[in-house]
Amino acid sequence: EAGVVQSPRYKIIEKKQPVAFWCNPISGHNTLYWYRQNLGQGPELLIRYENEEAVDDSQLPKDRFSAERLKGVDSTLKIQPAELGDSAVYLCASSVDSGAAYEQYFGPGTRLTVT
Amino acid sequence: DQQVKQNSPSLSVQEGRISILNCDYTNSMFDYFLWYKKYPAEGPTFLISISSIKDKNEDGRFTVFLNKSAKHLSLHIVPSQPGDSAVYFCAASAAGTASKLTFGTGTRLQVTL
Repeated sequence: EAGVVQSPRYKIIEKKQPVAFWCNPISGHNTLYWYRQNLGQGPELLIRYENEEAVDDSQLPKDRFSAERLKGVDSTLKIQPAELGDSAVYLCASSVDSGAAYEQYFGPGTRLTVT
Repeated sequence: DQQVKQNSPSLSVQEGRISILNCDYTNSMFDYFLWYKKYPAEGPTFLISISSIKDKNEDGRFTVFLNKSAKHLSLHIVPSQPGDSAVYFCAASAAGTASKLTFGTGTRLQVTL
């Protein structure tokens, strides 16, 4: 079974530039999560999707961050414009549904460096 | 406000000995606790979990203990192996929000030969 796929794996951009991350969840997984992991910290949830619907985006900085999950499969997370403090690893995870916490499967992440 | 705390950033243990990783939490609404293991350049992978109705859960070399009164849990690895060297994250979720995980800051375990 293929795992969660994320691209790119690494991205270096200058501040004020836009950037986008892509995630392909495990086939059949209805719930998709985006997390941000700052250096030396644990992952923090940004947004959770149930199929196409964003059911929890309370931690997403909506002034510069946006996300979409068209057709309830792949998802894209965008930052525009990026700031120095956005440098972090962005993790995507998926689960069959949102009922069981242990069933979240994480992708390898995208390491973003903003200069 | 760090609701899940891992106060030891790193731990070094000899191969074959016991590794004990600790985690404290402050939110009394948490009722499910998990440990994730993370290798460099990979995402976290689920290791073991425990519900608040239990005080111990065992899976092979891994055992998690929960002390609700102290709001403390620990992960024991016996015997420790070099392949266990990784960063370990403690996570918790509250009743009714099973999929919303709050993570600790992680403990880097180094198992030496």
